[in-house]
Amino acid sequence: NAGVTQTPKFRVLKTGQSMTLLCAQDMNHEYMYWYRQDPGMGLRLIHYSVGEGTTAKGEVPDGYNVSRLKKQNFLLGLESAAPSQTSVYFCASSYGSGTGPADTQYFGPGTRLTVL
Amino acid sequence: GEDVEQSLFLSVREGDSSVINCTYTDSSSTYLYWYKQEPGAGLQLLTYIFSNMDMKQDQRLTVLLNKKDKHLSLRIADTQTGDSAIYFCAEKGYSSASKIIFGSGTRLSIRP
Repeated sequence: NAGVTQTPKFRVLKTGQSMTLLCAQDMNHEYMYWYRQDPGMGLRLIHYSVGEGTTAKGEVPDGYNVSRLKKQNFLLGLESAAPSQTSVYFCASSYGSGTGPADTQYFGPGTRLTVL
Repeated sequence: GEDVEQSLFLSVREGDSSVINCTYTDSSSTYLYWYKQEPGAGLQLLTYIFSNMDMKQDQRLTVLLNKKDKHLSLRIADTQTGDSAIYFCAEKGYSSASKIIFGSGTRLSIRP
């Protein structure tokens, strides 16, 4: 079991460029999440998905799009990168979103993105 | 909206106990979590407590919950250098649509 994997690990973009971050999980989890982590601000939810073919907005969705075409993959896209999107991006997955500890989230190792 | 607050830094001497504190605002919280993030890695669940409990112990870790004051703490006994990390408090509300709300994290550093 690889758990949750993310590619790439690092990326530098110029303002206005686009890119896609890939998250993959092999735990057959229904729920997947994209967060960004900024110093002193903890994790903020960008978008999430409650199953294949579904997506929903989180706390800070502007400037990002997502797709969940396959259950095991959750893609985060930046169409026109801005310096404010410089951050560390974490993907997570969970079995469900219920109130049990079994629904806890498992995190990937993160992608460090710098936008110049 | 819901909020989770923690102090940003804590420094303790090796072998002492560390106590990391957290306050939250959501009175409907059902589960409260502590996650650990080591440098360059993602978050790992350390422990959790259900809201109808006031204490949970797991080896060197003790979680205390004061639901009246909406205060959660994590005590690490006999702190070791391997405990150096950022510790995140998080809470989840009652609704199944609730998402986990994370605090900003407390960076724990260990002095020799």
